[in-house]
Amino acid sequence: IAGITQAPTSQILAAGRRMTLRCTQDMRHNAMYWYRQDLGLGLRLIHYSNTAGTTGKGEVPDGYSVSRANTDDFPLTLASAVPSQTSVYFCASSDRSGANVLTFGAGSRLTVL
Amino acid sequence: GQNIDQPTEMTATEGAIVQINCTYQTSGFNGLFWYQQHAGEAPTFLSYNVLDGLEEKGRFSSFLSRSKGYSYLLLKELQMKDSASYLCASMDSNYQLIWGAGTKLIIKP
Repeated sequence: IAGITQAPTSQILAAGRRMTLRCTQDMRHNAMYWYRQDLGLGLRLIHYSNTAGTTGKGEVPDGYSVSRANTDDFPLTLASAVPSQTSVYFCASSDRSGANVLTFGAGSRLTVL
Repeated sequence: GQNIDQPTEMTATEGAIVQINCTYQTSGFNGLFWYQQHAGEAPTFLSYNVLDGLEEKGRFSSFLSRSKGYSYLLLKELQMKDSASYLCASMDSNYQLIWGAGTKLIIKP
């Protein structure tokens, strides 16, 4: 089934630890995105990539890094996790044509203690 | 600044009609999106409006007025499975989406 796979589904992490959230898509979409979703707030863009080999900063990039070595994979790394990074993280992709509709992964729930 | 406003929560009855409003202020405008998100799941695309007017898609319709910075999502013949959050998002001049916090719709039998 075509779509986006995120891992892990859920993780509890000690503050200061390094963590990488994985995201893989099999739709050959050019663009990929990482959002965080917090209660009472809209989805906020962390980083994005319009095509393999390029990345850009979104609204809330601090404390996060990404890479886009190929079309399919777009991992998000927290170098040194802090409690304020407790959130649900969604990876999304789009083919950037027409309405640029996003397809989302199932999300990764991260708790930083 | 950029801002999307939509009600936090709405309640409606099964079989009825509900209208979820959204007002937006973004730097430039390249379209208005509605997504549905069931609890604990990913958002899924519902509709896209870039021109003024009503777009109908089965039980769901979406309306846009660019001059008023206003959109609504209309859900007809409500079913229990429509209980979800509905996210409004405006695409700005950089083709980035600015998201509202979502409207939680509760359907009662």
